[in-house]
Amino acid sequence: AQKVTQAQTEISVVEKEDVTLDCVYETRDTTYYLFWYKQPPSGELVFLIRRNSFDEQNEISGRYSWNFQKSTSSFNFTITASQVVDSAVYFCALSGDNNAGNMLTFGGGTRLMVKP
Amino acid sequence: EPEVTQTPSHQVTQMGQEVILRCVPISNHLYFYWYRQILGQKVEFLVSFYNNEISEKSEIFDDQFSVERPDGSNFTLKIRSTKLEDSAMYFCASTLRRGTEAFFGQGTRLTVV
Repeated sequence: AQKVTQAQTEISVVEKEDVTLDCVYETRDTTYYLFWYKQPPSGELVFLIRRNSFDEQNEISGRYSWNFQKSTSSFNFTITASQVVDSAVYFCALSGDNNAGNMLTFGGGTRLMVKP
Repeated sequence: EPEVTQTPSHQVTQMGQEVILRCVPISNHLYFYWYRQILGQKVEFLVSFYNNEISEKSEIFDDQFSVERPDGSNFTLKIRSTKLEDSAMYFCASTLRRGTEAFFGQGTRLTVV
């Protein structure tokens, strides 16, 4: 069985602060894929990033960066210099290569509120 | 940019009625999915569809649910006899192949009264 845990249910920061969203996962698959999605107040799910289990290189995209550590089964997401538009619910998700349906298992989400 | 489209955006139905939620996945994608999100909760997998058949379904996807791909573009979710607890946002998604990112539609908010 697969499981994704986002221990932080809600985080509140002031604009320009850095913030890290934690994600811990469990899987028995040797090959798996990790994702982050953003759900703004309008409700849609917006894809942010995908990582393969065999690629532990961290990634930076503008103000966003991701830290994938297989040793601790974590895939954390950092927003640098947060902005009000970053306010949303962020979901971490996992897909394993051995599940027939190729579906995503989502964490419970972290609601990020960025105050001006 | 290709996108997944869902209709309607909002549907209100009476308990016991049948509803059909419609989706047009991205045209060259091979895997199709339905997920649901009860208000304020996590996104839950319902069913995946590949090669014109269900490849996996969750415990939520009981006999009241069915999916179809009636032609080359549409992908539908039918709930035969809706219950109050079926009220949720239903998302359709598609992926190009295994392990690639899923692109989600904007969702259909189903309200059962």
